[in-house]
Amino acid sequence: DAGVTQSPTHLIKTRGQQVTLRCSPKSGHDTVSWYQQALGQGPQFIFQYYEEEERQRGNFPDRFSGHQFPNYSSELNVNALLLGDSALYLCASSLVGADTYEQYFGPGTRLTVT
Amino acid sequence: SQQGEEDPQALSIQEGENATMNCSYKTSINNLQWYRQNSGRGLVHLILIRSNEREKHSGRLRVTLDTSKKSSSLLITASRAADTASYFCATDGRLTGGGNKLTFGTGTQLKVEL
Repeated sequence: DAGVTQSPTHLIKTRGQQVTLRCSPKSGHDTVSWYQQALGQGPQFIFQYYEEEERQRGNFPDRFSGHQFPNYSSELNVNALLLGDSALYLCASSLVGADTYEQYFGPGTRLTVT
Repeated sequence: SQQGEEDPQALSIQEGENATMNCSYKTSINNLQWYRQNSGRGLVHLILIRSNEREKHSGRLRVTLDTSKKSSSLLITASRAADTASYFCATDGRLTGGGNKLTFGTGTQLKVEL
């Protein structure tokens, strides 16, 4: 049973560029959430996708956008990168209606903006 | 923003000793979860405690919850070097239209030395 996968593992970008991160959810899961984790901090909720729509967004600007595909995989796009966008980006999947509320996390993508 | 604080920020113990981490949160909750993170990679779910529970056990883990004080503690008994990791508490917030988002604390870095 495949867990949550993310690509790429590491990424280095320059300020002002755009980046796309990818996530495949755990088999059987239909919901994908994205989190940003700055160094030394806990993860912060960016947004969640279900049925190919953004369900809710955390306190992140519109430079952060996403997409969910019919196979439930998801992309996170960040435009006009800032130095402060350097972080570990985590994808988590879950199943709507599940009683446990547990989210399964991928290994993350480490983004460095120079 | 972070939901709350974890205490201590860092903890160093000898193998075989017990490790206790505390978490405080700000808002009312449905449940509280604890996650482990190794070396800045993905998070692994450890245990979930519901708001109507006061204590829960899972293997060497014991979690308590005091909703009147908005606090929780995680006890790891008979620690091992492999327990070295960062530990995060996360509160569960329901999203409009279903689904849930996790709001994490700042984490405790645990180091278990041989």
